[in-house]
Amino acid sequence: GAVVSQHPSRVICKSGTSVKIECRSLDFQATTMFWYRQFPKKSLMLMATSNEGSKATYEQGVEKDKFLINHASLTLSTLTVTSAHPEDSSFYICSARDAGTGELFFGEGSRLTVL
Amino acid sequence: SQQGEEDPQALSIQEGENATMNCSYKTSINNLQWYRQNSGRGLVHLILIRSNEREKHSGRLRVTLDTSKKSSSLLITASRAADTASYFCATTLGYSGAGSYQLTFGKGTKLSVIP
Repeated sequence: GAVVSQHPSRVICKSGTSVKIECRSLDFQATTMFWYRQFPKKSLMLMATSNEGSKATYEQGVEKDKFLINHASLTLSTLTVTSAHPEDSSFYICSARDAGTGELFFGEGSRLTVL
Repeated sequence: SQQGEEDPQALSIQEGENATMNCSYKTSINNLQWYRQNSGRGLVHLILIRSNEREKHSGRLRVTLDTSKKSSSLLITASRAADTASYFCATTLGYSGAGSYQLTFGKGTKLSVIP
């Protein structure tokens, strides 16, 4: 089946640095990708919807200047956490919608720890 | 607002028993999906039921949907230790436009199957 690859799976960074997380659709084109954040033992919260070639749509309460999303190609979306702080530590998950079938596939997630 | 609410929040059963998890939602939907998440991992799509369907089966999984009560249930029969995971329902809203492709997740049920 279709695979969505997220990289890195784990990242530890110092407070104040920026971290980029990649979400790639490996064998299908994804015009739409979604970024979620999951706190420990909690559900997934949609952060933003990323459409190829256009600006991302952010959910209420999500700072777009802090969580920069770029969807420059049909197979890659990136989430950059800028000037990370310990409260940004979380599990970030992306999903990608197959442009052909409409199916939605999830990445394995990226665990960010900000020291 | 939180669209999906699962109950129970945690469920512990013996191997071989059936596990039933419930999900309620608030607005009209296009479809409802159930996902599984092993600890610290991404989501695995289990089953999708459309708003005009009442019951669906897939292997040991049985999903029901009652749109009048805005609720769904996931039944796992003859549970196995490997079924231990968190289970989430997610809804796709019932209106057209970019928002219709977004998934809204419930809080999840943590299932523990004791060997």
